[in-house]
Amino acid sequence: DQQVKQNSPSLSVQEGRISILNCDYTNSMFDYFLWYKKYPAEGPTFLISISSIKDKNEDGRFTVFLNKSAKHLSLHIVPSQPGDSAVYFCAARHNTDKLIFGTGTRLQVFP
Amino acid sequence: NAGVTQTPKFQVLKTGQSMTLQCAQDMNHEYMSWYRQDPGMGLRLIHYSVGAGITDQGEVPNGYNVSRSTTEDFPLRLLSAAPSQTSVYFCATYPGQGQPQHFGDGTRLSIL
Repeated sequence: DQQVKQNSPSLSVQEGRISILNCDYTNSMFDYFLWYKKYPAEGPTFLISISSIKDKNEDGRFTVFLNKSAKHLSLHIVPSQPGDSAVYFCAARHNTDKLIFGTGTRLQVFP
Repeated sequence: NAGVTQTPKFQVLKTGQSMTLQCAQDMNHEYMSWYRQDPGMGLRLIHYSVGAGITDQGEVPNGYNVSRSTTEDFPLRLLSAAPSQTSVYFCATYPGQGQPQHFGDGTRLSIL
């Protein structure tokens, strides 16, 4: 039972445009959501997070939106840059240290 | 400042062999965790520790042992390797509950 789902395995976006990565979850008890970015042969690196009491969090070019009624979150990257090409994982937790990760979306930003 | 160091980076084992994956951190974080990443599965938590002497099971603990004798080290042991344990293993550390985790670069393990 996949509690955190990233239904798009890949996404291709032109440089300068907006990238939108989506994530759905099934457990309404999740209280904190995170996005990680992963380059090949490296570990994931933390990108941005959002608490369940908020609906938006912004950090530079990265914005995460949370829609609790739809159990959906999204990561917006504006403007997209070639260095953003990586695999993006969303993750969720509820009141513990046990993070549940999605399966990842591979973003490719082309010139 | 190395952050989180995992050794070895690559390893090939035969079924039934034992091995220890090493994880060391110099960030003075109390919390550490082990994940495995398999194709199409994302990262899954194996074991975690909230401080020296304290460990707990994650989502997929079977076949793995851990111990935490110091703040810096959190080794993961495979007592009798099985082909199903072929995976990429990541160690992570974080300063407190709910804080973002910092990952090592992983150990790629193949079991024949």
